[in-house]
Amino acid sequence: DAKTTQPNSMESNEEEPVHLPCNHSTISGTDYIHWYRQLPSQGPEYVIHGLTSNVNNRMASLAIAEDRKSSTLILHRATLRDAAVYYCILIRRYYSGGSNYKLTFGKGTLLTVNP
Amino acid sequence: NAGVTQTPKFRVLKTGQSMTLLCAQDMNHEYMYWYRQDPGMGLRLIHYSVGEGTTAKGEVPDGYNVSRLKKQNFLLGLESAAPSQTSVYFCASPPFAPGLFRRNEQFFGPGTRLTVL
Repeated sequence: DAKTTQPNSMESNEEEPVHLPCNHSTISGTDYIHWYRQLPSQGPEYVIHGLTSNVNNRMASLAIAEDRKSSTLILHRATLRDAAVYYCILIRRYYSGGSNYKLTFGKGTLLTVNP
Repeated sequence: NAGVTQTPKFRVLKTGQSMTLLCAQDMNHEYMYWYRQDPGMGLRLIHYSVGEGTTAKGEVPDGYNVSRLKKQNFLLGLESAAPSQTSVYFCASPPFAPGLFRRNEQFFGPGTRLTVL
């Protein structure tokens, strides 16, 4: 399975933008790039996903490199509620009489937001 | 529409006891996953299922069994619990294909905190 690499931790100040990087140099053409976050004592929650083009939603933006070997999750104005572990994962589809895919997570990036 | 629910929320077992964790989803999704998360670590995939009646092993399947007799339920069993299985267990049920993700949909359960003494 393709692997992702993220910094163990990052720090930001409230109201400032945050750029969370993810490297996925072994990404294949059919891998989707997904971002999830996990708030303390909660299950992970979906943030955003993309394939080739940059994506925006109400939570964040996803910037995908032209060669797709890296991506960046952008939080435009960090709030204290954004303090969480952020996971970048690749979802690969294996075609074998249907669609199978594993959903595996790395250790993620612990984002600290300072007031 | 409750999304993904897990029961129980907490459980304490003695070594050697057995138990079953239940994950239920009302989104009619094909895929269901069981993860465990230990302190300071990410989520590790135990088993998963790509449809009713099918199961497959993840990264750390030993000591666990699963069943998917009904599409909406995915059961995780511990036949003989060990202290190493003390963890928080999460169930997930994403949509069939990544392109079908709806932006506000959450598909992870709240977790089951299991302690094995």
